Amino acid sequence: NAGVTQTPKFQVLKTGQSMTLQCAQDMNHEYMSWYRQDPGMGLRLIHYSVGAGITDQGEVPNGYNVSRSTTEDFPLRLLSAAPSQTSVYFCASSPRDRGLDTQYFGPGTRLTVL
Amino acid sequence: LAKTTQPISMDSYEGQEVNITCSHNNIATNDYITWYQQFPSQGPRFIIQGYKTKVTNEVASLFIPADRKSSTLSLPRVSLSDTAVYYCLAQGAQKLVFGQGTRLTINP
Repeated sequence: NAGVTQTPKFQVLKTGQSMTLQCAQDMNHEYMSWYRQDPGMGLRLIHYSVGAGITDQGEVPNGYNVSRSTTEDFPLRLLSAAPSQTSVYFCASSPRDRGLDTQYFGPGTRLTVL
Repeated sequence: LAKTTQPISMDSYEGQEVNITCSHNNIATNDYITWYQQFPSQGPRFIIQGYKTKVTNEVASLFIPADRKSSTLSLPRVSLSDTAVYYCLAQGAQKLVFGQGTRLTINP
């Protein structure tokens, strides 16, 4: 199993541009989440999903959209990038019987918005 | 979500046992205590989880007193590769909220 994969690993955007961060998992996990981590800080939850077709907001959802059309994929869309969205983004997944407090994390996407 | 408090940083030496204590005074009845480890430029990695008393796996032990208002992660005989940030979480299986964690540095 590849586990949780994220693409791209690095991305530079200009203010106002849009883009999609990709996340996929091959473990058939029901739960998937997106987090951002700013330098020297812990992770903050952006959006999460408890199954295909179901999404919900986390702690910092503004400026981001998500959808969950399949169990495997959970893309994160930045609608109009802002410098405040410069961060490292992590995707995570967990099986339903373990809940959202025991997750497997991807390697991260480092995003810079100029 | 129960707020957790843990030391910002700790230092130790190779071969020592390291104990990191976390306080979670407002832990709810349904909350579990979970610890994650994060290396630079990587996502967090689940280490251990417990509800009460003691839990042990191949990586660490977790000690939780009867009142569950605190917990202690114990890392036996640490090595340089245990240098990382360790996060303590005390919450139910709904949302995951990370604090700043404890930056553990292991010296030779």
